Amino acid sequence: DVKVTQSSRYLVKRTGEKVFLECVQDMDHENMFWYRQDPGLGLRLIYFSYDVKMKEKGDIPEGYSVSREKKERFSLILESASTNQTSMYLCASGARLRGLNSPLHFGNGTRLTVT
Amino acid sequence: AQTVTQSQPEMSVQEAETVTLSCTYDTSESDYYLFWYKQPPSRQMILVIRQEAYKQQNATENRFSVNFQKAAKSFSLKISDSQLGDAAMYFCAYRRNQFYFGTGTSLTVIP
Repeated sequence: DVKVTQSSRYLVKRTGEKVFLECVQDMDHENMFWYRQDPGLGLRLIYFSYDVKMKEKGDIPEGYSVSREKKERFSLILESASTNQTSMYLCASGARLRGLNSPLHFGNGTRLTVT
Repeated sequence: AQTVTQSQPEMSVQEAETVTLSCTYDTSESDYYLFWYKQPPSRQMILVIRQEAYKQQNATENRFSVNFQKAAKSFSLKISDSQLGDAAMYFCAYRRNQFYFGTGTSLTVIP
């Protein structure tokens, strides 16, 4: 089974802190994604990566950056956390886009609270 | 941009009964995939079922089936013989190049 592991299940940070959310997948997937999940808004794509050192902005990249130095690891960075970034963050991975039926595999999510 | 609409924020069903969750999407493409994901309280998003747009036959996975109407851009999920473990948030997703998700339907199963 594909395993996508997010390093923290719950995080509490203060406004202005730099926050790192880590995600590791074990299936050698090329593609990795960071989503934000908020009630009534579904999942919104923050950033994604097609390959090592490559990154693309999603729908809501403002206030976030990402890093992908190794294929299996995709990090989401909040440069200066703000209260409106309190949310659930989901990491996902998937095989290369040649197969449109390739599903996304998700981690368990990190619930981040910024106070 | 593609949009996916789930018009039912909450649904409930009696155990052992059947429930249908609705999903519509907007696209100008002819080749794409559709997915239903389940997110139980554990928060792990689990793939329930997928449908290829070019296939006429509706996908089925055990108690889960879809009613795919391409012309109407509709992709509903039917859960038969509902079980307590089916209680979860259900997300519909469209994939062409990227995944686009609906806002989810929270399903309650009543014993």
